[in-house]
Amino acid sequence: AQSVTQLGSHVSVSEGALVLLRCNYSSSVPPYLFWYVQYPNQGLQLLLKYTSAATLVKGINGFEAEFKKSETSFHLTKPSAHMSDAAEYFCAVSEGGGGNKLTFGTGTQLKVEL
Amino acid sequence: GAVVSQHPSRVICKSGTSVKIECRSLDFQATTMFWYRQFPKQSLMLMATSNEGSKATYEQGVEKDKFLINHASLTLSTLTVTSAHPEDSSFYICSATGYTFGSGTRLTVV
Repeated sequence: AQSVTQLGSHVSVSEGALVLLRCNYSSSVPPYLFWYVQYPNQGLQLLLKYTSAATLVKGINGFEAEFKKSETSFHLTKPSAHMSDAAEYFCAVSEGGGGNKLTFGTGTQLKVEL
Repeated sequence: GAVVSQHPSRVICKSGTSVKIECRSLDFQATTMFWYRQFPKQSLMLMATSNEGSKATYEQGVEKDKFLINHASLTLSTLTVTSAHPEDSSFYICSATGYTFGSGTRLTVV
């Protein structure tokens, strides 16, 4: 069975500061890993995905994540937060490839302060 | 890239009525689609896997007679919430390709 743990349901950063959102996964097979952003009353926008290629994955809007098998982690980072980054972020895992169901973490609400 | 269209984006219905939500893959064929539900301030939970031409696979605890899924073509899956009640009010979102999502449907049952 697969699972995802997102540490910190709420993260607050200052505008211009580093964003670090944590995600740890559990999977019985090599996983595919995803980060999504959700704005209020909207759907999910894919930020980036790891599909067993390069361990450092670059996504949209300046976000990136690094797959660390030894730590079973896939933390999301952005060097400099912008006010528009304030949203809910979900980490998700899929077993057996990209065409399968996703298991989501509980989400992290990112607040960006002036 | 793959685009998934979901309709309607919002719907309000009376208790006891049924509501149909459509999920379309616009530029690709999807033999499998997934339906998720998200309660306020919570994460997304898989409800069922929709398979083209065959019965859907429901997750444990999801009432198959209440949430009817039809995947009659390679580009369309529908979720019908039958005899809706206020506790069915939620955000429903579909996905195709596994990781491409529609924009979601906010269902409010009054």
